[in-house]
Amino acid sequence: EPEVTQTPSHQVTQMGQEVILRCVPISNHLYFYWYRQILGQKVEFLVSFYNNEISEKSEIFDDQFSVERPDGSNFTLKIRSTKLEDSAMYFCASTLGYEQYFGPGTRLTVT
Amino acid sequence: QKEVEQNSGPLSVPEGAIASLNCTYSDRGSQSFFWYRQYSGKSPELIMFIYSNGDKEDGRFTAQLNKASQYVSLLIRDSQPSDSATYLCAVLSGNNRLAFGKGNQVVVIP
Repeated sequence: EPEVTQTPSHQVTQMGQEVILRCVPISNHLYFYWYRQILGQKVEFLVSFYNNEISEKSEIFDDQFSVERPDGSNFTLKIRSTKLEDSAMYFCASTLGYEQYFGPGTRLTVT
Repeated sequence: QKEVEQNSGPLSVPEGAIASLNCTYSDRGSQSFFWYRQYSGKSPELIMFIYSNGDKEDGRFTAQLNKASQYVSLLIRDSQPSDSATYLCAVLSGNNRLAFGKGNQVVVIP
């Protein structure tokens, strides 16, 4: 069964450094998303992406964040200058219609 | 007002019993509703979706939707220890983004 994959599974970085989180959505899906979940809190929407452009972003997704689909398979989330409060699980999701399927997540730890 | 509310505390149920979870949402225009299961340290796993008023059954799971009252519920019949997890209610909002509730932890006691 096709699934969303994400790399790395765990990323440790120092405050102020740039990180890139990678996702490979399910191959025939058209809509792609990033969500995050701070430990003990609810899953929060960051950004949605369709037809090679951002379709919606949350207030969390400020100028430090960017997304890209550099080729036909990868979907990346870049955080330019990480802060301590960016420490969270980051989930990529994709869908063909309404049902969104999540990847296993990347645990980002900012020290 | 929160978009999606799940207010019950942890739910302990004996093995074989029915677990019942509830969720309310604020946007009366919402059309699509989802239940995800999340094991500790893992990602959300889609287990049910429902778009029409009424009940939808899939195996041991039943989702119920009442748009007039703006609530969605999930029943887990014949609960198994493997059902022990946090169950997340999610509503499709805006431009196809999911708004999640904070989740309800279910503990199935053997």
